[in-house]
This record gives sequence, C-alpha cells and structure tokens, in this order.
Amino acid sequence: EAGVAQSPRYKIIEKRQSVAFWCNPISGHATLYWYQQILGQGPKLLIQFQNNGVVDDSQLPKDRFSAERLKGVDSTLKIQPAKLEDSAVYLCASSLEGGGMGEQFFGPGTRLTVL
Amino acid sequence: KQEVTQIPAALSVPEGENLVLNCSFTDSAIYNLQWFRQDPGKGLTSLLLIQSSQREQTSGRLNASLDKSSGRSTLYIAASQPGDSATYLCAVHMDSNYQLIWGAGTKLIIKP
Repeated sequence: EAGVAQSPRYKIIEKRQSVAFWCNPISGHATLYWYQQILGQGPKLLIQFQNNGVVDDSQLPKDRFSAERLKGVDSTLKIQPAKLEDSAVYLCASSLEGGGMGEQFFGPGTRLTVL
Repeated sequence: KQEVTQIPAALSVPEGENLVLNCSFTDSAIYNLQWFRQDPGKGLTSLLLIQSSQREQTSGRLNASLDKSSGRSTLYIAASQPGDSATYLCAVHMDSNYQLIWGAGTKLIIKP
C-alpha cells in the first residue's frame, strides 16, 4: 500500500513570496490533515478535511494560509505572503476513519525555509 | 485544557540496553494514545496506538502501556539498537474532540 505522498520535499523562498505544497493521501482515506511542525515542537494542526469538506481550520492563519481538497483526494496548502516565522516542516497525514479519531499516517513532510 | 509532556527531552544510552520513554497527560478523558517515531528530515511513523480501554500494545521490540487514571503512558524498547535513534512523540485523542494533542518528543540516541 502506497503511503502519503508530499511534494516538494524542500523549499526555500524569500519573505513575502508565495508557496504551495501538495499532498496525496493513502487511497481510500477520508480524512486529511495538514500540520505545521516547528523545530523542537510537536506538530500543530492547521486544517482537517473530511472528504472535501473542512472539519476544523481554527488554527489556520487565514489571512495568509489557504488549503483546499478538491474531489476529496489530493490537497494543496498555500502560503501567501510568507513570513519568517512560517519556516517549519509542513506535514500531511491521512486516516481511514471519519471523525478524526483514527490512526493517522504521515507523509515525509515539506521543509520550508523563509529567508 | 489537555497538556502532554514528555520527559526527558533527550536520552543517550549504549546499544543493547532496555529503555523506557515517558509520556504524561493532564486530562484522563482520552479516546486513544498514539506513539510515533520521527527520523531527521522525515515524517512521522506510527508505532503503536492504544485505545482507552486497553492497557498495552506490543510490536516487535516495542511495548506501549497506558494508565489512564494516572495520566501516563510508557514506551518500552527492548535490546536497543543504533537504528532506534530518532525522536519519539506521543499524542492523545480526547473524548471530546478529534484533535491530536502532542508532546514535544524525546530525542533518543543509541550509542554503538
């Protein structure tokens, strides 16, 4: 079974530029999550999708971050404009069960550096 | 508000030792608890998931226990190997919402 795929793996941009990350979850997984992980900390949930609907985006900085999950499969996370404090690893995860209580499987992450 | 703590933040032991990693949480109303491993520059790998009704789960050299009443979980690693070097994170699902609440992790180094 293929795992969660993410691209790109690394991205370096200057502040005020825009960037987009892509995620393809495990086939058949209804729930998709985007996390931000700052070095030395646990992941912070940014947004959770159930199929193509948003379940929770309470910690998403909506003035600069946006995410979509068209057709309930792939998802993209965008930052525009980026700030220095956005430097982090962005992790995508998926789970089979709905309701967000299922075991989560993570992709390799995208390491973003904002200069 | 649920808080998850992992102590120590870092641990270095010689190869072959058995070791225990600790995870504590302040609110015992959890749905499940999950242990993850994170290698440098890589994503998180799920190791073990313990439902709130369970006391322990085992996978190979790993054994995770859960004591809800005391707000503690431990991850036991038997006969440690250099390949076990990684950061280990625990996370809990609350009964009341679906978010995972994360600890900051324990960075484990196994010396050959």
